[in-house]
Amino acid sequence: VQLVQSGAEVKKPGESLKISCKGSGYSFTNYWIAWVRQMPGKGLEWMGIIYPGDSDARYRPSFQGQVTISADQSISTAYLQWSTLEASDTAMYFCARHRLHGRDPRDGLDIWGQGTMVTVSS
Amino acid sequence: EIVLTQSPGTLSLSPGERATLSCRASQSVSSTYLAWYQQKPGQAPRLLIYGASTRATGIPDRFSGGGSGTDFILTISRLEPEDFAVYYCQQYGGSPWTFGQGTKVEIK
Repeated sequence: VQLVQSGAEVKKPGESLKISCKGSGYSFTNYWIAWVRQMPGKGLEWMGIIYPGDSDARYRPSFQGQVTISADQSISTAYLQWSTLEASDTAMYFCARHRLHGRDPRDGLDIWGQGTMVTVSS
Repeated sequence: EIVLTQSPGTLSLSPGERATLSCRASQSVSSTYLAWYQQKPGQAPRLLIYGASTRATGIPDRFSGGGSGTDFILTISRLEPEDFAVYYCQQYGGSPWTFGQGTKVEIK
């Protein structure tokens, strides 16, 4: 069971970006996937979650409208995307799987991706 | 939003000592929905405890969790060299899910 994330990105302010998180070794459709931000030297911030089975996505209010979380169950991959990056988006982004399968989103995160470092700089 | 406040910010201890980490919530959290994670430099977090007191798969029994309501505790009974890391609590009972700011356990 693992989540493998796409590689590090270096972008300019105003550019768009989509990073990915591919699951394997389990039924990707039936487990919520969360995205977690970690700014340099800082703690963990829960951004939102998606249920790949029906693409039900839920966001932390501060991230609503700033990012889009999506999933393609046919290729067991979840995505986090930005239409307009800002320097303040510079961070490590982790995807993580909920511990239990099913529609209840209240659960801990037991499988983590390795993280994708996003650097936004002019 | 439920704010989780962890204390202390840094805990300086020696291997073999006992570590007690605190996580206080701004409003009551069901113990069913409280987790603890360990993060080492350059690594993803690792789930230690869920449901406030249940160890995740493969977690040694020197790690234990407890508490209820607004006050939760993670205890490491005897610190091993590999336990020096940052620890985060997380609540997932009230949306948005939130993390505490972390407690760093460092070698004294």
